[in-house]
Amino acid sequence: AQTVTQSQPEMSVQEAETVTLSCTYDTSESDYYLFWYKQPPSRQMILVIRQEAYKQQNATENRFSVNFQKAAKSFSLKISDSQLGDAAMYFCAYRGTNAGKSTFGDGTTLTVKP
Amino acid sequence: DGGITQSPKYLFRKEGQNVTLSCEQNLNHDAMYWYRQDPGQGLRLIYYSQIVNDFQKGDIAEGYSVSREKKESFPLTVTSAQKNPTAFYLCASSIATGSYYEQYFGPGTRLTVT
Repeated sequence: AQTVTQSQPEMSVQEAETVTLSCTYDTSESDYYLFWYKQPPSRQMILVIRQEAYKQQNATENRFSVNFQKAAKSFSLKISDSQLGDAAMYFCAYRGTNAGKSTFGDGTTLTVKP
Repeated sequence: DGGITQSPKYLFRKEGQNVTLSCEQNLNHDAMYWYRQDPGQGLRLIYYSQIVNDFQKGDIAEGYSVSREKKESFPLTVTSAQKNPTAFYLCASSIATGSYYEQYFGPGTRLTVT
């Protein structure tokens, strides 16, 4: 079974600074997708960024980018120029070929300090 | 506007009672999902449905039941057999269950059983 590990239960960053959230996963599949979702205090889950495992190029969405290391099974999220609105819980998720099931990590709570 | 509706936002029940959580989507998505979220934990899959009149158990299906009689609706019943039903429940949908497709989430229902 796939597992997703987020080793940082809590992180904090100063406004306008950069922060990196870690995620590792375990799988025997070669084709899969990885996602980062954001859950603000409203608890509405929102997709932040998505990475296809077969693509070597790291995905980027505005201030959000990933560092995808397939051999190391690592998928970290970098948030640049952090804003107060980035404060939320961030979940890493894995979705494999049996795509009816997504596996989520336990989340990292990000605090942004003004 | 397209989206996913979950009602009610807060639900209170007495122990021993069954309760049904509503989930409706107008995104014309084939796939729908139910997740449970407990404090400090990630999302755990309860049930998912790839198409009308078909659904599969997720990782923690015991004590829960679902139906999928209409494409837009996927209600979840929490039965009295569920030993720890108090939790936050999230409904999601996606275009299909292919691994590429992101999931869109509803606002969630907080269920408290006393």
